[in-house]
Order: sequence, then structure tokens, then C-alpha cells
Amino acid sequence: GQNIDQPTEMTATEGAIVQINCTYQTSGFNGLFWYQQHAGEAPTFLSYNVLDGLEEKGRFSSFLSRSKGYSYLLLKELQMKDSASYLCAVKDSNYQLIWGAGTKLIIKP
Amino acid sequence: ETGVTQTPRHLVMGMTNKKSLKCEQHLGHNAMYWYKQSAKKPLELMFVYNFKEQTENNSVPSRFSPECPNSSHLFLHPHTLQPEDSALYLCASSQGTSGGAETQYFGPGTRLLVL
Repeated sequence: GQNIDQPTEMTATEGAIVQINCTYQTSGFNGLFWYQQHAGEAPTFLSYNVLDGLEEKGRFSSFLSRSKGYSYLLLKELQMKDSASYLCAVKDSNYQLIWGAGTKLIIKP
Repeated sequence: ETGVTQTPRHLVMGMTNKKSLKCEQHLGHNAMYWYKQSAKKPLELMFVYNFKEQTENNSVPSRFSPECPNSSHLFLHPHTLQPEDSALYLCASSQGTSGGAETQYFGPGTRLLVL
């Protein structure tokens, strides 16, 4: 079966750095997405990785290792508004998105 | 209006009520999706439409009936609901369905509560 694993919940301090991990086992691979979802709102696109390595976009970076079936989302200089759920999703060989259950990130002052 | 909109935002239904969920995308996309999001579970893909044609139906109970009159509008018509159908129903759209980098853009969802 296809599976995406990510931690259920993480806590971090304002101004710090946090890394949210995602491991996957899918039938084929056509890219990995990270989305942010604030409570009661739409998931919003953060990043897309299809090649190994680190993609940096402002305070957010996303890393991919296809050989290890592993990705992480790195958030720097944490702000209170970063409190949200972070969803990891992989496109399989049929271009269908397989989703993780999301990581709820709590930022404390 | 921009992006993907969904109405209503909240819906309370009895098991025999008949109301519909509506989604509209203003992005010029050709593909639209319905997802079910339950607490602490991964998003479950329900239906996919590409150029108004249904291309995926992921073993969804027949009490959920989708409708896609054009590439900009998508409806979900639930009936004879069960308590386990209470969830957030998310609509999304993308340019197409076959590209790896095709990004899905989501609406805010309809929170459905079945009494």
C-alpha cells in the first residue's frame, strides 16, 4: 500500500527553527508537495520538490531525498502566524496525490 | 472573486435533508477535485473532473453524487447521510491532471455536520 508518515504534532518557540519530517512509500514518484493549513482555512501551497536537494523560499526550505523516501520542511525565524498544520503529499505514478495526516505545529512565545 | 470559493462554509444536515455543496474556481483551470478531510486523517480524494469529465471516483458511497456542469463549477449532492460523513469537504482545482508539477489550489471548505 501507499503511505505517508509525518509527526502528529510539534511544538517550537517563536524565533527558533523547526524541521518537520515526512517519509513516504508510494507506487512511483512524480514530486512531493508541502502545504500549510491554518485552522478552518484552505490548505495553501508552500513548495514542490521533484529532484534531490534543498529548495529555499524565504523563511521556508524543503528538502528531498528520493533514494531514502524522505523530505523535510524547515521553518526559520518562527513567527506566531506559523502555527498551523503542515501537510506532506506525494504524486504517485498515476499523478494522484497521496497525503499524510498533517503535522500540527504549535508556536509558543 | 479570486481563487477557489466554496459555499456554504457550514452546513448542518439531518440524515434525510437534501442540500448541496458548491465550488467555483476563478483560475481558468481545467481540473476540479472533491476531498474529504476528517480530524487527524489524511485527505481522502473523492472525485476528479478534467474538462467536465469524471476521471476518478475513489470508492465513494453512492450517497454522494457529484456534478460538474463546466470547468469552473463543481457540486456535491449528498443524501441519506450517516454520522461518519461529518467532515470538512474541500474543493480544489489545477491546470490539468497529468503533470508532476501541477499544483492543486484549494477552497476554504464546507464544514458538514450530520445530526
